[in-house]
Amino acid sequence: DTAVSQTPKYLVTQMGNDKSIKCEQNLGHDTMYWYKQDSKKFLKIMFSYNNKELIINETVPNRFSPKSPDKAHLNLHINSLELGDSAVYFCASSQASSGGGNEQFFGPGTRLTVL
Amino acid sequence: SQQGEEDPQALSIQEGENATMNCSYKTSINNLQWYRQNSGRGLVHLILIRSNEREKHSGRLRVTLDTSKKSSSLLITASRAADTASYFCATANYGQNFVFGPGTRLSVLP
Repeated sequence: DTAVSQTPKYLVTQMGNDKSIKCEQNLGHDTMYWYKQDSKKFLKIMFSYNNKELIINETVPNRFSPKSPDKAHLNLHINSLELGDSAVYFCASSQASSGGGNEQFFGPGTRLTVL
Repeated sequence: SQQGEEDPQALSIQEGENATMNCSYKTSINNLQWYRQNSGRGLVHLILIRSNEREKHSGRLRVTLDTSKKSSSLLITASRAADTASYFCATANYGQNFVFGPGTRLSVLP
């Protein structure tokens, strides 16, 4: 069984559209994350979220918003997509909060292409 | 500037040789982790070393940590073609998010 899954795997859309990427983990972890990996493979954290707090990277535009219906899911909504949003987005989860620094389990990624 | 920086950016070796990658960081850490990313895939955790540890082993992997120099190294011994991937270090500290370096692209040639 896949520990951290993401859908869709590929997403191609026009500038200005609104899209969502879904993430689910079946590991029972209490913290989930969203990362953006650009074309140079540089991985930047966008959000970390557990039941108690959402930590937002201040460089993330407010067009991006995480939505967590329950502990096992953290979806990423993106409004008014821009060309620069094209990247691979990874969801991850861990047992502790990011400050505890436990091992993170990553999903397979969603390649977003904005035309 | 970025917390973790891997060095070199790219490394090509022959199968059977050892591969060494380095990671430098700037601030205090609780632990440092190494991850591998195969092309088109997510990251996979390799090893975690805590700030009070100096060396750790896992199979063919050996990680060292020098907190005085704020640096870590990852050694892969007897490399295989399947080790071809990008390797990232990530630092973690209390109250802060993980910070990943830009990665080292390792190519192991048969």
